[in-house]
Amino acid sequence: DARVTQTPRDKVTEMGQEVTMRCQPILGHNTVFWYRQTMMQGLELLAYFRNRAPLDDSGMPKDRFSAEMPDATLATLKIQPSEPRDSAVYFCASGTGIGETQYFGPGTRLLVL
Amino acid sequence: DAKTTQPPSMDCAEGRAANLPCNHSTISGNEYVYWYRQIHSQGPQYIIHGLKNNETNEMASLIITEDRKSSTLILPHATLRDTAVYYCIVRVAGTGGFKTIFGAGTRLFVKA
Repeated sequence: DARVTQTPRDKVTEMGQEVTMRCQPILGHNTVFWYRQTMMQGLELLAYFRNRAPLDDSGMPKDRFSAEMPDATLATLKIQPSEPRDSAVYFCASGTGIGETQYFGPGTRLLVL
Repeated sequence: DAKTTQPPSMDCAEGRAANLPCNHSTISGNEYVYWYRQIHSQGPQYIIHGLKNNETNEMASLIITEDRKSSTLILPHATLRDTAVYYCIVRVAGTGGFKTIFGAGTRLFVKA
């Protein structure tokens, strides 16, 4: 049963610290998405990649957020420095194309104090 | 900006059919309609998608109007475990091609 995995599942950190979230897409999927979910904003698309290349990161605050795919089995989302307003659940999803079905991971719940 | 409109919440009795409507009046001719759901704090889960014809799978049925401006997701025999937020999605153009935007969805409450 292929699944998207995300680590860590929960992260509590202090303001100003660096946070790194990791995602392992389903083997064979060439498209990876990062979303952020809060009560106020709902599910927001932050960035997405195809074949490891970033295609659209317009939803991501550029000054503190960065997303990369070092290889086909790992996607990372970094926040540096973190702020309390970054507290949210961050979801990774993978698929076989931009307009294709997305398979979501369980999410990383981030709390910045 | 989401290109779909859904009611914020709906109730359904357990065992009855749940019919969730979605308006997507600006959908393009070659755009698919996707439905996902999110149970509590889990990641969204794919349900079904369609282009023109009605579709059915083990989870649900999707009815798309002939003009494609709206669709209805049908859960034929809703159970308590179907209580979730249901998202109707169409793609929008982005800098990297098309991308999917999740709106607020419909919160479905299935009651015993």
